[in-house]
Amino acid sequence: EIVMTQSPATLSVSPGERATLSCRASQSVSSNLAWYQQKPGQAPRLLIYGASTRATGIPARFSGSGSGTEFTLTISSLQSEDFAVYYCQQYNNWSWTFGQGTKVEIK
Amino acid sequence: EVQLLESGGGLVQPGGSLRLSCAASGFTFSSFAMNWVRQAPGKGLEWVSLIGGSGGNIYYADSVKGRFTISRDNSKNTLYLQMNSLRADDTAVYYCAKVLLGTHYYFDYWGQGTMVTVSS
Repeated sequence: EIVMTQSPATLSVSPGERATLSCRASQSVSSNLAWYQQKPGQAPRLLIYGASTRATGIPARFSGSGSGTEFTLTISSLQSEDFAVYYCQQYNNWSWTFGQGTKVEIK
Repeated sequence: EVQLLESGGGLVQPGGSLRLSCAASGFTFSSFAMNWVRQAPGKGLEWVSLIGGSGGNIYYADSVKGRFTISRDNSKNTLYLQMNSLRADDTAVYYCAKVLLGTHYYFDYWGQGTMVTVSS
């Protein structure tokens, strides 16, 4: 099983600042990586897929990069609605695994 | 508008069984693979199972293999998860999730989830 490791566990950011979240895979997943946002009491929402493609309706302030084993989600200017938990997810050979999540909180 | 509505959760004793349902609308249900993903209280997300659009191509996480069975009824636009031999570590919110058009790699729509609690 491919293990996804996210860092940091918690990120404290002021509104308007840039947030950079990292995700590392235990082996290469090519570009088969997605990012999801989850707010308390809500289902996850797909933000980015294919490592760098924004899902429908996702604002341009969200961007993804990376390939192989190292991936990054960047939120260019944090808005109040962006404070949430973010998960990365990989697909490989009919197996899907998620990272443990990064909580983005208000500084 | 895509909608996914899970039901069937509840409290069950260890060793017991439960069947979850997910009613889908707003898209051509039979054209998309569907998944179950769970989240233990205060924890992260864990993929559980996938079923192809026609009902073939079924896959399970090792943690549920041999105990859970995924199925679908395309005439009713409904996805199911039969859960047997339940254990305390199966306690979680169970989400159904639709795959993104053109790929089975990602999940673009999720239901609101149904809570399953395994406890004596």
